[in-house]
Amino acid sequence: QVQLQESGPGLVKPSQTLSLTCTVSGGSISSGGYYWSWIRQHPGKGLEWIGYIYYSGSTYYNPSLKSRVTISVDTSKNQFSLKLSSVTAADTAVYYCARAVDTAMFDYWGQGTLVTVSS
Amino acid sequence: EIVLTQSPGTLSLSPGERATLSCRASQSVSSSYLAWYQQKPGQAPRLLIYGASSRATGIPDRFSGSGSGTDFTLTISRLEPEDFAVYYCQQYGSSPVTFGQGTKLEIK
Repeated sequence: QVQLQESGPGLVKPSQTLSLTCTVSGGSISSGGYYWSWIRQHPGKGLEWIGYIYYSGSTYYNPSLKSRVTISVDTSKNQFSLKLSSVTAADTAVYYCARAVDTAMFDYWGQGTLVTVSS
Repeated sequence: EIVLTQSPGTLSLSPGERATLSCRASQSVSSSYLAWYQQKPGQAPRLLIYGASSRATGIPDRFSGSGSGTDFTLTISRLEPEDFAVYYCQQYGSSPVTFGQGTKLEIK
């Protein structure tokens, strides 16, 4: 059973960079056919796809966030990470990591972590 | 990007009743690349349906999906108490993948 777990600061100051890591267990991040993803959910709102990465390092980002997002992978640690720069209060959200089946649907999710942007 | 509009926003039904949730796309979703998720408070979304009509592993057969093109439906044949939650549709036929705004299924 694949499990994902997000980790990182729950509070980030405006204009700084939000950094989160997702640790994958129960399966290898280097397994072909899966894209490792970040998705966020603003409080009381719907879901927004941020981007995903293949184990080889290929990345795909949502155009609405592309200029501020970097997703990277560390196969030796079975982890992938999110960096979102120049954050504002509008970036306050629950951030989920998830596994996408071939850039398609998301079949495994982390529990989510709330990140608040505030001074 | 493809905009998904879900209706109704809130659906009030009783256990044992049939629920019909709608998801309409702003343009055709290629190859019926549409999924449905269930989300309960404080939890991550759970994949229910993919490919418009295929149930994910472990999903009870009271959940079914249908549709193509721009109109898709999630049907729950007989509501169980644990089915009351928020449901989201998601398209993955074109990039960026997008989600609907959700339908809240509440107990009447």
